[in-house]
Order: sequence, then C-alpha cells, then structure tokens
Amino acid sequence: AQSVTQPDIHITVSEGASLELRCNYSYGATPYLFWYVQSPGQGLQLLLKYFSGDTLVQGIKGFEAEFKRSQSSFNLRKPSVHWSDAAEYFCAVGVPYSSASKIIFGSGTRLSIRP
Amino acid sequence: SAVISQKPSRDICQRGTSLTIQCQVDSQVTMMFWYRQQPGQSLTLIATANQGSEATYESGFVIDKFPISRPNLTFSTLTVSNMSPEDSSIYLCSGEGQVGTETQYFGPGTRLLVL
Repeated sequence: AQSVTQPDIHITVSEGASLELRCNYSYGATPYLFWYVQSPGQGLQLLLKYFSGDTLVQGIKGFEAEFKRSQSSFNLRKPSVHWSDAAEYFCAVGVPYSSASKIIFGSGTRLSIRP
Repeated sequence: SAVISQKPSRDICQRGTSLTIQCQVDSQVTMMFWYRQQPGQSLTLIATANQGSEATYESGFVIDKFPISRPNLTFSTLTVSNMSPEDSSIYLCSGEGQVGTETQYFGPGTRLLVL
C-alpha cells in the first residue's frame, strides 16, 4: 500500500539557519510527490511538486526538494529560514485515480523558528 | 492554479444536528476531494466527488454520515450528519487545478466544533 512517512514530528531551527525536512514514501511505481505547507489557521498551500525529470525541484518561498529513488525519499530544504516559515509541513504522494490523483499525506512536521 | 473557497469558515454545532459545507472553485475541475483533519493530525481523504456520479468513499467513511453533492464542475457540498463531538475537525475540499497536472489545490478549510 502507498504510504508517506515524515519521521520528525517537530523541528526547531534558528532564524537564518538551513532546514531539511525528511520524507520517505512507499509506492510501487514512479510517484507524484508534493510538499504542502499549512500555516496556523490557514489551508494548505502547495510548495512544490515532482512528477518526472530533474530530481531537484524548485518551489515557492525559496524551498527546494530532491527526489532520490534509491532512498525512496523526497526531502525538503531551505538554505536560510525566516520566522514566517513557522508552520506545519506535509509531504504527500499522488496516486493515479481516474483522471486525477488521490493524495496520501504524511503525518506532518511542525517547524518552529528560534529568534 | 485554482482558487477554492469554502463556507462556512467555522461553526459550532450541537450534537445530533447536521452541517452542510460548501466548496466553490473559480474554474472547472474534473475531480473534487473532501478531507478531514482531526485536531493535531494529518489529512485523511473522505471521498472523491465526480460530477454526474455518486461520490466514492474511502474506507471508514460512509454516505449516510457524509453525503456529498457535485451538481456541476465548480461546486460541491459535504454534509456532516448526526454530528457527535468526535466529528470536531477541519474539513477541507480540494480540486485538481488543471487536467493532467495531477495537482490539487485546497480550500481554506471549515473548522467544526461539535458540543
């Protein structure tokens, strides 16, 4: 069965420090992979997505993610975090379903920023 | 990208009553999805709503409890029936932004508290 694992429940980093959020997936074929961010009291915003091609994907707000098939991973990175990056981050895998995809979400990683 | 709005944004309801949540998309989408996010948890797919056919429910969710309508390509409703405190959650809808992109865009969510 398809699944997504985010091993870190909560991460705290200092403002200006680099960030890496881990994500591992389980899926039999080449997956569609996503990172979403949910700020307090807000809906989900798509940060970036991987479908095929270049394994290093650039997203909004200075985020990037790298797809590593050999490790079944899709880790999210940012070179320098800002206080506004404090939020919940969800990794997700898209499973083809009819003409769209069902999205299976990981459990999320809460990011706190230390001043 | 598609812009999705939901009404109401939040509500407090009494046990045993029902609430209908509306989801409006600013463009036509083939598939719409309804998710539940219980407090402190990730998102769980409730059902997929395809225009002109009955919704497809995920394991653990039934039509009698969560009836869904999809009258056209830009609108859907989810009803939470005979509510109990365990139904207190955020309910989010999503739609595929563009056919073939396999990308879902989310509404801001409806925060439901059942007393």
